[in-house]
Amino acid sequence: AQKITQTQPGMFVQEKEAVTLDCTYDTSDPSYGLFWYKQPSSGEMIFLIYQGSYDQQNATEGRYSLNFQKARKSANLVISASQLGDSAMYFCAMPHRGSSNTGKLIFGQGTTLQVKP
Amino acid sequence: DVKVTQSSRYLVKRTGEKVFLECVQDMDHENMFWYRQDPGLGLRLIYFSYDVKMKEKGDIPEGYSVSREKKERFSLILESASTNQTSMYLCASSSANYGYTFGSGTRLTVV
Repeated sequence: AQKITQTQPGMFVQEKEAVTLDCTYDTSDPSYGLFWYKQPSSGEMIFLIYQGSYDQQNATEGRYSLNFQKARKSANLVISASQLGDSAMYFCAMPHRGSSNTGKLIFGQGTTLQVKP
Repeated sequence: DVKVTQSSRYLVKRTGEKVFLECVQDMDHENMFWYRQDPGLGLRLIYFSYDVKMKEKGDIPEGYSVSREKKERFSLILESASTNQTSMYLCASSSANYGYTFGSGTRLTVV
């Protein structure tokens, strides 16, 4: 069965340092994508970055980048130069098998990141 | 620039009440979703809809129903609220596999 695993319930990082949030997945689909979302304390989920399984290069979006290792089935989020506003919960997600028309996603358990001043 | 709107940010209801959570999107998306979020469990899918009047059960549909009479609106209904339905409820919409746009969430407390 498909599964997304985020093994770090909580993490701390010093302001201005880089941090990696882990995400591993399990799927038998030959083509898939991985999403990362940020959820601040306000509750709204914010899309950060997307990586397709056939993309040749790791996705980057400003200070966010994806360390995508297909053979290891991992899609870790790297945040460079952490800011206090990066303190939030982060979720990894991927499309549910057979959801090409519905766009249904499955989510990991989330990682809470706290940035220390 | 609001795209997905949930009617309430915070809601307190009594056990046994019928509760309606409303979600409206203005992006003409076909697909709409209701999730609940609980600590340590991540997001769990309650129901989703891929067209007007069409709905499908997600992973935890028990105790919930939904309604989608218009493309832009997807309502979640708690027929008889119970304390174990105290949670954060998130609505999202999407077009095919292009990821979700989420609403700001509703924190529901059932007392």
